[in-house]
Amino acid sequence: AQSVTQLGSHVSVSEGALVLLRCNYSSSVPPYLFWYVQYPNQGLQLLLKYTTGATLVKGINGFEAEFKKSETSFHLTKPSAHMSDAAEYFCAVSDGNNDMRFGAGTRLTVKP
Amino acid sequence: EAGVVQSPRYKIIEKKQPVAFWCNPISGHNTLYWYRQNLGQGPELLIRYENEEAVDDSQLPKDRFSAERLKGVDSTLKIQPAELGDSAVYLCASSKRQGGRFQETQYFGPGTRLLVL
Repeated sequence: AQSVTQLGSHVSVSEGALVLLRCNYSSSVPPYLFWYVQYPNQGLQLLLKYTTGATLVKGINGFEAEFKKSETSFHLTKPSAHMSDAAEYFCAVSDGNNDMRFGAGTRLTVKP
Repeated sequence: EAGVVQSPRYKIIEKKQPVAFWCNPISGHNTLYWYRQNLGQGPELLIRYENEEAVDDSQLPKDRFSAERLKGVDSTLKIQPAELGDSAVYLCASSKRQGGRFQETQYFGPGTRLLVL
């Protein structure tokens, strides 16, 4: 079975600073990887996903993530944080058969 | 295109009372999921439907939880009786099956926030 570990339940950055949210996964088959964002009192919204092909994936709102098989990682980055990026971010892994497992989430705070 | 619709958005009940949540998926999406999200945690799958068939309900506490998707469209999740530990956000998601080994993108509704007193 697959699983996800998100390092750091809370991350705080200054506006304009680099955002780095860490995700490591475990999977017995080639994984499909996802990042979702959740704003207060809302459902999850897909930021980006990796299925096959290019290991650097670009998503919405300027976010991107890189699949590194050797490190079993799928870290999420954004070069310059904006106040509107403050939210909860979830990494998820799937085996390709609709069995998706989510990490515990990382709360991003952006300071002015 | 309308998103996943859930109701109610909030529900407060006393323990031992029944409660039901409703979900209407995106039109044309044949796979429907119910997740439970405890405070400070990620969503955990309760049950997954493909059309009207429950194909994965291994994490559904069947002594008190039940779900149905009679016509393969909207779905209801019920808890009877509710316990204090059931307080959580219940999320519904849907996806469109593309066949083969491919993780379809799941689209989430806003969730129902349940508080059991």
